[in-house]
Amino acid sequence: DAGITQSPRYKITETGRQVTLMCHQTWSHSYMFWYRQDLGHGLRLIYYSAAADITDKGEVPDGYVVSRSKTENFPLTLESATRSQTSVYFCASRTGGSSGELFFGEGSRLTVL
Amino acid sequence: QKEVEQDPGPLSVPEGAIVSLNCTYSNSAFQYFMWYRQYSRKGPELLMYTYSSGNKEDGRFTAQVDKSSKYISLFIRDSQPSDSATYLCAMNGAGGFKTIFGAGTRLFVKA
Repeated sequence: DAGITQSPRYKITETGRQVTLMCHQTWSHSYMFWYRQDLGHGLRLIYYSAAADITDKGEVPDGYVVSRSKTENFPLTLESATRSQTSVYFCASRTGGSSGELFFGEGSRLTVL
Repeated sequence: QKEVEQDPGPLSVPEGAIVSLNCTYSNSAFQYFMWYRQYSRKGPELLMYTYSSGNKEDGRFTAQVDKSSKYISLFIRDSQPSDSATYLCAMNGAGGFKTIFGAGTRLFVKA
């Protein structure tokens, strides 16, 4: 199906474990983004990518790693999960330019025990 | 101070009421202003989009931007229970790739 899909939708892990959240889009959008959503903070940008092999930090990048070897995929890795990384993570994509609409996935709800 | 301030609510109104949602911002470089709607356990979806100052109307929804006051608003007329959701304001500047979001306002419309 066309669109943007995230997996897993729900994940429970323990402190110190590595976790990877997957994001796949079928539109061939240039830009892809990872946001986390926490009560009282809204959506905060973690990392973004302007094209394959081009990534840059957002507002809250510490503790996260991203890669983008293919245009359609943009995985987010928590190298050593901490409780403060318990959150809902949203992947988004859009076409180029500053005015483009963001298209969001359904979110990945991560709990770190 | 956050770049974008939005009262998180919750805001509870009776069906048929006019709803006013607002955001203030500090970065005068912002030129693109958006409202996203997010239903529970779903991703946000674009509701309204405005470039620079002015009003835009789409059915029961009206978006207003006052750049001189750094203030944006979303009005919902004849609110319906199906409008119950979180509304997030968002904005970015010319040439800016990063969209900045407000905290979101939770709206409940009671039947």
